[in-house]
Amino acid sequence: TQLLEQSPQFLSIQEGENLTVYCNSSSVFSSLQWYRQEPGEGPVLLVTVVTGGEVKKLKRLTFQFGDARKDSSLHITAAQPGDTGLYLCAGESYNTDKLIFGTGTRLQVFP
Amino acid sequence: DTGVSQNPRHKITKRGQNVTFRCDPISEHNRLYWYRQTLGQGPEFLTYFQNEAQLEKSRLLSDRFSAERPKGSFSTLEIQRTEQGDSAMYLCASSPSGRGPGPGELFFGEGSRLTVL
Repeated sequence: TQLLEQSPQFLSIQEGENLTVYCNSSSVFSSLQWYRQEPGEGPVLLVTVVTGGEVKKLKRLTFQFGDARKDSSLHITAAQPGDTGLYLCAGESYNTDKLIFGTGTRLQVFP
Repeated sequence: DTGVSQNPRHKITKRGQNVTFRCDPISEHNRLYWYRQTLGQGPEFLTYFQNEAQLEKSRLLSDRFSAERPKGSFSTLEIQRTEQGDSAMYLCASSPSGRGPGPGELFFGEGSRLTVL
């Protein structure tokens, strides 16, 4: 059973548009990671957020961890076709050594 | 290449047959994870090892599934009496430990895609 719900499930946009992906849970996480996965490959880590309210920027990508450490968002500015992929959030719970992945958001950016 | 390696990349089998997947983690990583992923969904946790010890196994995992990591290096995941519902991508990941609690960053292999006919 997935504990992390992502929305939207699918997103199809034109190059240059902005978008936000949400990752929500009823559980509290000690940290939250965001991964991107391309077809035929495994997920690759983009960022880890640890502190409630933390904001991290990676070029055109902005990640935020909710104050209560139950949710997170990923905002992409001026999307490019190279941003196309499956975006996954993954929560790390206290007292466990496993990551729980979200349901995923598939992003398609058209030129 | 010193990344996580998985074999075979693709496996097609008939229902009822047994299949085995192998994962070679990054050499200095002592944590190894198995996940299952269906198309367009997030990976679902199956089990993980710290060195050769299997420390957690998902309650959702049928007893037809078994994983081993006998020498704390490579791992195998065996599925007995496969069913069509077992069709999925099986992902292996590794991570170093000793940097604090929790798994930290997971380094994934390219996966082994199973199709059960």
